[in-house]
Amino acid sequence: GAVVSQHPSWVICKSGTSVKIECRSLDFQATTMFWYRQFPKKSLMLMATSNEGSKATYEQGVEKDKFLINHASLTLSTLTVTSAHPEDSSFYICSARQRGVQYFGPGTRLTVL
Amino acid sequence: DAKTTQPTSMDCAEGRAANLPCNHSTISGNEYVYWYRQIHSQGPQYIIHGLKNNETNEMASLIITEDRKSSTLILPHATLRDTAVYYCIVRVPHNSGNTPLVFGKGTRLSVIA
Repeated sequence: GAVVSQHPSWVICKSGTSVKIECRSLDFQATTMFWYRQFPKKSLMLMATSNEGSKATYEQGVEKDKFLINHASLTLSTLTVTSAHPEDSSFYICSARQRGVQYFGPGTRLTVL
Repeated sequence: DAKTTQPTSMDCAEGRAANLPCNHSTISGNEYVYWYRQIHSQGPQYIIHGLKNNETNEMASLIITEDRKSSTLILPHATLRDTAVYYCIVRVPHNSGNTPLVFGKGTRLSVIA
């Protein structure tokens, strides 16, 4: 199947700093990518839909100014957590669709101290 | 997307077949059944999908009842590495536009030695 990568796989940062997470589709082009967040022992929750060349669409309750999404090319979307706080600590997962199947990255574990 | 119902958890002995059920009684004619799994601390992994015919690939088999109101994912020879949360999701694939997958709680499969 198609391959989606994420970088970094884990990151620890201080409260108040910003963290950027990259999501790449390695063997296909994706005009749309999806960002999910998962808290311990919970299911994945959709945060936003990233659209190449246009603004992202955020789910209700997700602050667009805090979670900045940039989809500058057909193979790269980035999620920046701005002014991170301990409650932003979570597992962030990106996803892209190819031929009707949605493929997921390996996830990025963010810990904010 | 139609709603699905899965058991919260299941156990399976190593080497035996794991049969994971999913009910989707409100499925519509153009909706497919998708199965994903999530191993601890990893992104979800696509397993298989189907419309009405039974499907098989290198990972699993998908059995869909004739009325399409339920399905069963079969892992023919479960190993310890198959321990994961398994998600059954119903949706339209090709006409879904930018609509992402929505995850329920899934079934936690524990493969026991």
